[in-house]
Amino acid sequence: DVKVTQSSRYLVKRTGEKVFLECVQDMDHENMFWYRQDPGLGLRLIYFSYDVKMKEKGDIPEGYSVSREKKERFSLILESASTNQTSMYLCASSGDRETLRGEQYFGPGTRLTVT
Amino acid sequence: GEDVEQSLFLSVREGDSSVINCTYTDSSSTYLYWYKQEPGAGLQLLTYIFSNMDMKQDQRLTVLLNKKDKHLSLRIADTQTGDSAIYFCAEALMNTGFQKLVFGTGTRLLVSP
Repeated sequence: DVKVTQSSRYLVKRTGEKVFLECVQDMDHENMFWYRQDPGLGLRLIYFSYDVKMKEKGDIPEGYSVSREKKERFSLILESASTNQTSMYLCASSGDRETLRGEQYFGPGTRLTVT
Repeated sequence: GEDVEQSLFLSVREGDSSVINCTYTDSSSTYLYWYKQEPGAGLQLLTYIFSNMDMKQDQRLTVLLNKKDKHLSLRIADTQTGDSAIYFCAEALMNTGFQKLVFGTGTRLLVSP
């Protein structure tokens, strides 16, 4: 079974703080993704990575950055947290980018509240 | 364009069938997926269908795909209270050489006893 873990289930931070969300997968997947989930908006892609040290912007990258120093680990960074970044953050991974059937496997999510 | 639409809520009684609908706009989609999200959890892949298929059945789940109308549906037979969750459809698109999934807004299914 693919396992994707996220460092925290719940996180409360203050406006302006730097926030790190960590994600680890154990299936040697090439691709990793960060989404945010908001009611009525579904999942929106923030960033993704298809290889170590590689990253691509998703649909809503503003206010976020990412880091992928090791294949199994993908970090999402909020440089200066703001209240509009209060959300559920979901990490996912998937296998060979050449295959079209690239279903993604998700972690349990981190619910971040910025006060 | 990329836009996947779902109704937000569906309420059924235990034992009835549930049908969750999804429409998408990009005809180049290759695979389409249904994911389930239980309260407080991440998304779990339920089933998928390749774009050249019309139907796929997997135990209590039936997926129907109408490519002409760009309409995807998930039917759950004999719905149980444990099926209460949010269901997301997603389409797989190739974007500048990389595959990405575009998700719908999710349909919250409530099953009452």
